[in-house]
Amino acid sequence: KNQVEQSPQSLIILEGKNCTLQCNYTVSPFSNLRWYKQDTGRGPVSLTIMTFSENTKSNGRYTATLDADTKQSSLHITASQLSDSASYICVVSAGMDSSYKLIFGSGTRLLVRP
Amino acid sequence: DAMVIQNPRYQVTQFGKPVTLSCSQTLNHNVMYWYQQKSSQAPKLLFHYYDKDFNNEADTPDNFQSRRPNTSFCFLDIRSPGLGDAAMYLCATSRDQLDTQYFGPGTRLTVL
Repeated sequence: KNQVEQSPQSLIILEGKNCTLQCNYTVSPFSNLRWYKQDTGRGPVSLTIMTFSENTKSNGRYTATLDADTKQSSLHITASQLSDSASYICVVSAGMDSSYKLIFGSGTRLLVRP
Repeated sequence: DAMVIQNPRYQVTQFGKPVTLSCSQTLNHNVMYWYQQKSSQAPKLLFHYYDKDFNNEADTPDNFQSRRPNTSFCFLDIRSPGLGDAAMYLCATSRDQLDTQYFGPGTRLTVL
């Protein structure tokens, strides 16, 4: 069964600290993995998208890693800011062409406190 | 610079009264998606169009239908909204199915 699991469900950190969010997946065949940031009441915004051959990808203070062997991904946020408070959603694409599916994780809710 | 536009942002309807949500895009993307997102949950895919090809998710209720009259516009019709259909409805587009999706701001639907 195709599944994407994220941990932790929620996280509170102090402004300026780093944090790492986890995403484990059992999806086959794997196409790519995406991280989205969703502010409350808004649509998700893409942070990174990685294919099988990519181990790491950065977008400013956000760095995503992918280990295709262990089927794990992480999103590392450096020097957190108050504006990083949001839900972070891991999405894995399975299949190709007509059999393509997007499998969503349930997200990690991050709160950054001053 | 809006790329994916959803109207209205907030919609209130009565139980059983049909409602239509609209989405337009200026990206000229081939694929358009409709998602339903309930509080504290991940978005749930309802349908997607690859160009004019319509793809319905297996567990999307019959109460939900969609139209894509041209590349730029896509509509979500809810024929007889129930209380359980109250949610945020997100439209997204992508150039191709494996590419990054660009989401609109969403329409929050309230059913009275």
